Amino acid sequence: RKEVEQDPGPFNVPEGATVAFNCTYSNSASQSFFWYRQDCRKEPKLLMSVYSSGNEDGRFTAQLNRASQYISLLIRDSKLSDSATYLCVVNMGTGGFKTIFGAGTRLFVKA
Amino acid sequence: DGGITQSPKYLFRKEGQNVTLSCEQNLNHDAMYWYRQDPGQGLRLIYYSQIVNDFQKGDIAEGYSVSREKKESFPLTVTSAQKNPTAFYLCASSERGGSGEQFFGPGTRLTVL
Repeated sequence: RKEVEQDPGPFNVPEGATVAFNCTYSNSASQSFFWYRQDCRKEPKLLMSVYSSGNEDGRFTAQLNRASQYISLLIRDSKLSDSATYLCVVNMGTGGFKTIFGAGTRLFVKA
Repeated sequence: DGGITQSPKYLFRKEGQNVTLSCEQNLNHDAMYWYRQDPGQGLRLIYYSQIVNDFQKGDIAEGYSVSREKKESFPLTVTSAQKNPTAFYLCASSERGGSGEQFFGPGTRLTVL
């Protein structure tokens, strides 16, 4: 079983749609969680951190379920510019060398 | 502006040659990392360094070498021993002992001819 698993997609949605991504992780000792966005042939960039209480940033909402060991990302009112790959990232301790990146979920938003 | 730079953006290499990828950061971060990304796969850690003059092997270090002589620089050498070096190489940095948030450079795309 992979340490961090994501549905690779692609998800094809029309503009204005709501889309949700899930990610599961295997190590219950994982301490911090993130969603990164990666555009085609570019570097990953932090989208948002994920907290147990959930957090929201505009159209984006991230949630963590420690009991079931999964995190989610919800995108409301999708824009064409949201088309990208979304990486689920789990850190298992202090220090980036224990950071595990998921393979990513590809999103295409169509006009 | 603070950030991470990588050069070159594209690199072509003949089989049997060593090549060195540059990574420089001015974020004053102690920790730096090198990842490799292949199509459809997550980032895989090659080497990391938590402080100057110290570095450790990651999950796929074979065929690679690094140095960390300065805080701001962490060059990666892809040696001829690396069997399948064609990939997208990403350098990142973070605060030492931080929550794990990493900042990435724009990457170097290496192709072996």
